[in-house]
Parts: sequence; C-alpha cells; structure tokens
Amino acid sequence: NAGVTQTPKFQVLKTGQSMTLQCAQDMNHNSMYWYRQDPGMGLRLIYYSASEGTTDKGEVPNGYNVSRLNKREFSLRLESAAPSQTSVYFCASSINRNTGELFFGEGSRLTVL
Amino acid sequence: SQQGEEDPQALSIQEGENATMNCSYKTSINNLQWYRQNSGRGLVHLILIRSNEREKHSGRLRVTLDTSKKSSSLLITASRAADTASYFCATDASGGSYIPTFGRGTSLIVHP
Repeated sequence: NAGVTQTPKFQVLKTGQSMTLQCAQDMNHNSMYWYRQDPGMGLRLIYYSASEGTTDKGEVPNGYNVSRLNKREFSLRLESAAPSQTSVYFCASSINRNTGELFFGEGSRLTVL
Repeated sequence: SQQGEEDPQALSIQEGENATMNCSYKTSINNLQWYRQNSGRGLVHLILIRSNEREKHSGRLRVTLDTSKKSSSLLITASRAADTASYFCATDASGGSYIPTFGRGTSLIVHP
C-alpha cells in the first residue's frame, strides 16, 4: 500500500521552463491537495480538489494550474517557472474535504534557476 | 495566511524530558490537528481534536484545546531522540472550506 506517491522527487528548471508534478493516491480518497513549503513559512495551499471533477484555488494559486485526471491522480503544472517557485511541493489526500486527516506524499523538491 | 502559529519556534531538550508545544489561532475552528515532519520527509498526522473536545491522548502524546483562548498544546512525554522533528498544528476555520491551514511549526531536537 503505497499511500500518496509524488514524482519527480527532485527537479531543476530554468526560468521560463514548464513542468508538471504528478501525484497519485491508492487509498480511494475523494479529496486531494497541493501545498508548497518554504523555509519559515510553513505549508501554504496552492490548489485542492474536493472531489473528482472539481478544483479550487487555495492561498497561493498564481503561476500554477492543476488537473484532477481521475479519482487517483492530481497533477500540478508550472507553465512558466520563476525563481519564486523554488520550493518543496507536497501532495496530500483525505477521505473527504471535511474528514480532517491528510495523508502526505514525500515531497517534490523544485529549484528554478 | 497562517491561521495557527506554533510556539516556540525551536525547542531543545534531553531524552526523557517532556516537550510542550503551543498553537494559537485566530478564528473559530471545526478541528485542530497536529502533524510531525521528519527532516526531508512528508508530514505525518499525529492527532485530531474537535472543537467540542478539551483533551485527547494517543500513546505518549497529549493534546489540549482551549477554544476560549483559541489555543492548543501538544505534550510529548518521556521524549526520545526519535521524536526529533518539526511539529505543525493545522486548523480549519468553521464556516469555511474545511481545508487545514498550517502554522510555521516548532522544530524539536531531543538530545540522546
């Protein structure tokens, strides 16, 4: 039982390049989330998907797009990467939006030069 | 914006001692959760306490919630070196989206 799997684990981009972070969960959860973690800032919500077919903006959505491909998969896309997007990105899932406990992946460490 | 703020930012103790971390938040909540993050890893859920609960235990963890003061504390008893990690509180504002909002965390170091 893998839980939440994120790929890639590490990525270096040049300013202006695009990339997609992939996330998949095998727990049959309805809700999925993307957070970013920066030093001294804690975790900030980028986007979430309360259920398959829906996505909503979080606290810091600018510069990102998401796709809830199916119930298992939720991807995060950077169309034109900027140095300010250097961060550690975490995908998480929960049974439903209001059930509390989040299950996190191991993170994707992105550096934008 | 951070809903919850942990205090202290950093805590250094000896193995066997108790560790207490606090979390203060700004608006009414449905639930408050505590998570642990080991260096370079994802967050792991520790405990959830609902707004109508005052205290909850899980093994060596004790969480209290005081909604009148909008604060919570996490007590780890008889700390071990393996408890070295960052600890985060997460709150979901009542009447809102139910999405947990995280604080900046407390970095705990337990010296063997």
